Amino acid sequence: AQSVAQPEDQVNVAEGNPLTVKCTYSVSGNPYLFWYVQYPNRGLQFLLKYITGDNLVKGSYGFEAEFNKSQTSFHLKKPSALVSDSALYFCAVRALSGGSYIPTFGRGTSLIVHP
Amino acid sequence: GAGVSQSPSNKVTEKGKDVELRCDPISGHTALYWYRQRLGQGLEFLIYFQGNSAPDKSGLPSDRFSAERTGESVSTLTIQRTQQEDSAVYLCASSLTPAGSGNTIYFGEGSWLTVV
Repeated sequence: AQSVAQPEDQVNVAEGNPLTVKCTYSVSGNPYLFWYVQYPNRGLQFLLKYITGDNLVKGSYGFEAEFNKSQTSFHLKKPSALVSDSALYFCAVRALSGGSYIPTFGRGTSLIVHP
Repeated sequence: GAGVSQSPSNKVTEKGKDVELRCDPISGHTALYWYRQRLGQGLEFLIYFQGNSAPDKSGLPSDRFSAERTGESVSTLTIQRTQQEDSAVYLCASSLTPAGSGNTIYFGEGSWLTVV
């Protein structure tokens, strides 16, 4: 079975500082990994994904994520946080083989960026 | 359409009534998913449709929940005899066939269900 863990319910960061939202996963086979953002009272918006190749993936709104196979992690990062980045962030995993094509989502991490 | 469309966007219903939630996926997307998100919680998988294959219903929480899909287009999620615990946002998503499962899944804005 595949699973995703987002160990932090909430991350607080000051505007202009770098941010990291953590995600670890467990799958059988190679993973496809995704990050989504959810603003209040909205659906989920796709940010970025890792399929294969370069471990550093760049996505929307200046976000990037680093795939680390040995640590089974896919942490979301941004060099300089904005107040408007405050939202709920979800990590998701889908197995390339031996697993389900149904993506499994983490519980979500609330990012709060303080002015 | 340009994105995944869901209706109604908001629904308030009395306990015991049936509700139908509709999802219109992105044109050409053969895979369609329903998720439930309770207040302050993560996404809970409900059901998955892939083309003309039998749906994966493993996430449906009880026999009060059912879903249908017409070909590779519109899907309807039906909740019978609603309970207060059914109050949640019901999110629909679609993607191209996941033969290459790196295909991005795109979500609608959700249907907010409140059972009173």
